[in-house]
Amino acid sequence: ILNVEQSPQSLHVQEGDSTNFTCSFPSSNFYALHWYRWETAKSPEALFVMTLNGDEKKKGRISATLNTKEGYSYLYIKGSQPEDSATYLCAPTRSNDYKLSFGAGTTVTVRA
Amino acid sequence: ETGVTQSPTHLIKTRGQQVTLRCSSQSGHNTVSWYQQALGQGPQFIFQYYREEENGRGNFPPRFSGLQFPNYSSELNVNALELDDSALYLCASSLDPGQQYEQYFGPGTRLTVT
Repeated sequence: ILNVEQSPQSLHVQEGDSTNFTCSFPSSNFYALHWYRWETAKSPEALFVMTLNGDEKKKGRISATLNTKEGYSYLYIKGSQPEDSATYLCAPTRSNDYKLSFGAGTTVTVRA
Repeated sequence: ETGVTQSPTHLIKTRGQQVTLRCSSQSGHNTVSWYQQALGQGPQFIFQYYREEENGRGNFPPRFSGLQFPNYSSELNVNALELDDSALYLCASSLDPGQQYEQYFGPGTRLTVT
């Protein structure tokens, strides 16, 4: 079982502000990192799958970076909106290991 | 929303009973993974099915078992239910078992064991 840490556990952001949070994971035998967004009463939704060190991905106002050598990824939300309120989960995978190992998530609440 | 559906939405069972949860995968997907999410934790991998065969298993006892059908829909069966089995059970389908493929999640089944 991979030790995956997400911090902070929760954060409150004023509408219009930008924010970021971290996913830390063991760097050995890294294969891919998944980010998911999970809104209340909905299904988790895939945001990004990242595989290369230095990778940067962007979807609208949300972007992510990946450092596989030191074992961390940042997720950024620019100009937060109330609809960004959700729990954001990361899940790294290892080589020759198909399963996703999820962190406990960062819950973001955007205040209008 | 994804094309992945799960049934039932909620379920209440008594300790010692057996339960079957169902999942219909997204069209074109041949792989289904099952996860258990306890309160305050991230989803934990139970097992994965690929083309009707179990393709890997997490740290769950044998009383957790599954099936995948020719149409790639899937079942999760749990025997001899324990109080700690109370959780949200998620299934996710993907194009292939490879780790680079996004998983498409269903809305989950909330199981309560009393």
